[in-house]
Amino acid sequence: TQLLEQSPQFLSIQEGENLTVYCNSSSVFSSLQWYRQEPGEGPVLLVTVVTGGEVKKLKRLTFQFGDARKDSSLHITAAQPGDTGLYLCAVDTGRRALTFGSGTRLQVQP
Amino acid sequence: EAGVTQFPSHSVIEKGQTVTLRCDPISGHDNLYWYRRVMGKEIKFLLHFVKESKQDESGMPNNRFLAERTGGTYSTLKVQPAELEDSGVYFCASSPQLVSSGNTIYFGEGSWLTVV
Repeated sequence: TQLLEQSPQFLSIQEGENLTVYCNSSSVFSSLQWYRQEPGEGPVLLVTVVTGGEVKKLKRLTFQFGDARKDSSLHITAAQPGDTGLYLCAVDTGRRALTFGSGTRLQVQP
Repeated sequence: EAGVTQFPSHSVIEKGQTVTLRCDPISGHDNLYWYRRVMGKEIKFLLHFVKESKQDESGMPNNRFLAERTGGTYSTLKVQPAELEDSGVYFCASSPQLVSSGNTIYFGEGSWLTVV
């Protein structure tokens, strides 16, 4: 079983729609990161959440860390074609290296 | 400032051959990581250097994989002999401080390896 379960695996929506993707685990983490990976590129860090219940906003992207620090969500408002990509959550499990979820592949149609 | 650069971007080799991937981290970053994503799977950690020292190589799949970082600058990852299941994208990443500090880690574009 994977440490981080991301859902949905795939999402195809129209420009202007809202969406939420999830990253869930049964483990507690001190922090969690969200990355976006575009085709032909490496993952790029979007945000790090640290405190249970924390909400961070990055333009139209809203990230929330669960109260128990076991899960996180990413909400995108009025999605744009430029939001297309693979969204990955990742945690440090204490080995000083990241453990990634399998990702949510988002396609925003113009 | 140049980002993490990886070479080659794509490589197709036959089973049994050797391939060497190179990573140039961001200048001044002591921490260098190798990760891999094979088809249908999540990105997985391979190993971590601090300067020229291997801090953690627990993710290396087997002894066909050898990573070096001579002089604490660039790093190479050699696969010898390559097997079909080694196909995937190999990412290098670097950071000025440890990931566990919640600091930013910067990824390269990846080296796509196809073993046929």
